[in-house]
Amino acid sequence: DQQVKQNSPSLSVQEGRISILNCDYTNSMFDYFLWYKKYPAEGPTFLISISSIKDKNEDGRFTVFLNKSAKHLSLHIVPSQPGDSAVYFCAASRGIIQGAQKLVFGQGTRLTINP
Amino acid sequence: DTAVSQTPKYLVTQMGNDKSIKCEQNLGHDTMYWYKQDSKKFLKIMFSYNNKELIINETVPNRFSPKSPDKAHLNLHINSLELGDSAVYFCASRPAGSYEQYFGPGTRLTVT
Repeated sequence: DQQVKQNSPSLSVQEGRISILNCDYTNSMFDYFLWYKKYPAEGPTFLISISSIKDKNEDGRFTVFLNKSAKHLSLHIVPSQPGDSAVYFCAASRGIIQGAQKLVFGQGTRLTINP
Repeated sequence: DTAVSQTPKYLVTQMGNDKSIKCEQNLGHDTMYWYKQDSKKFLKIMFSYNNKELIINETVPNRFSPKSPDKAHLNLHINSLELGDSAVYFCASRPAGSYEQYFGPGTRLTVT
């Protein structure tokens, strides 16, 4: 039972344009959402996050939007740069109880930025 | 460098062997994790430790035994390796009060 889904395994975008990565979740108890970026042979690195009490969070070129009623979030990257080419993972979490917090990941979307 | 480190980075072994993967974090975090990324690229939690105490065990076969000698280290020992254990294993740590987890570079385990 996959509680977090990224339905697009890959996305190709031209440099300078906007990249939009999507993520859907099924568990309404999730209260925090994160995006991670992963390069080959490296571990995932944190990119941006959003609490369920917000609908938007922006950090430089990266913006995450949350639509709780649709159980959907998206990551916007604008303008897209070649260094953004990586696999992007959406992750969801529920509560922070001493050590019991865990991340539930989507299967990732491979983003390729073309020059 | 402040980071989460794992050794070895690559591990090739035969079925039936026992192997260990080590993880260390110098970030001062209280909570550490093991995740498995399988051939379908799903990243799934296996274990969580908080201050050397096991908190989460996600129905992982008991051939997998985590050990935390102190809160900066979380090692993973695997007995009687099977072909299906082939995967990339990631260690992660998290500071208290934060949702964000910091990941190590991963250990690619190949069982032949």
